[in-house]
Amino acid sequence: NAGVTQTPKFQVLKTGQSMTLQCAQDMNHEYMSWYRQDPGMGLRLIHYSVGAGITDQGEVPNGYNVSRSTTEDFPLRLLSAAPSQTSVYFCASSYAQRQPQHFGDGTRLSIL
Amino acid sequence: AQSVTQLDSQVPVFEEAPVELRCNYSSSVSVYLFWYVQYPNQGLQLLLKYLSGSTLVKGINGFEAEFNKSQTSFHLRKPSVHISDTAEYFCAVSDKNFNKFYFGSGTKLNVKP
Repeated sequence: NAGVTQTPKFQVLKTGQSMTLQCAQDMNHEYMSWYRQDPGMGLRLIHYSVGAGITDQGEVPNGYNVSRSTTEDFPLRLLSAAPSQTSVYFCASSYAQRQPQHFGDGTRLSIL
Repeated sequence: AQSVTQLDSQVPVFEEAPVELRCNYSSSVSVYLFWYVQYPNQGLQLLLKYLSGSTLVKGINGFEAEFNKSQTSFHLRKPSVHISDTAEYFCAVSDKNFNKFYFGSGTKLNVKP
C-alpha cells in the first residue's frame, strides 16, 4: 500500500516553463487536494477535487490548473512558471468527509 | 471566511516537561478542528481532530487538545514531551463540507535533552 505518491520530489524550472506535478493514490479516495507550503505561512489550498471529473478552486488557485480524469490521479499543472511559485507542494487525499487526509511527501519546486 | 492563528512560531522545551501549543480560529459558523504534525522532509500526519461531542480530544503519541468555543481556541497539550516530538505542528480548520481546509502558520516544537 503506497498511499499518496508525489513525483518528482525535486524540480528546478526557469521562469516561463511549464510543468506537471504528479499525484497518485491507491486507496480509492474520492477527495484529493493540492497545497503549497511557504515559510511562516503554513499550508494554503490551491485546488481540490471531490471525485473524478469534479474540481474546484481553493485559497490560492491563480497560476495553477488541475483535472481529475480518474479516481487515482490528480495532477497539478503550472502553465508558465513564475518565481513566486517557488514552494513545497503537497498532495493529500481522504476517503470521504470527516475522514483524515493522507499527505504525500511533497515536491520541492524552485523557479529561477 | 475562516482563519487560524498560531501565535508561537517556535516553542523550546526540555525533555519530560509539559507543553502547550496554542491555536485560535475565527469563524462565523461551526467548524471542525485538526492538529497535524510534520517531521522534516515529510508530509503531514493527523494527530487528532474535533468534529463534535466531548471538547477534550485525545490523539496519537500522548497528545490531547481542548476545544473552547467561547474563546475560539483549540490548544494542543502533552504532559511530558520526548525528543522524538521535535517537529512542526499545524492547527487547521475545515468548512462544514470538509472541502476546504485552512492551516495556521505552524509551531516548531524543539525538545531539548
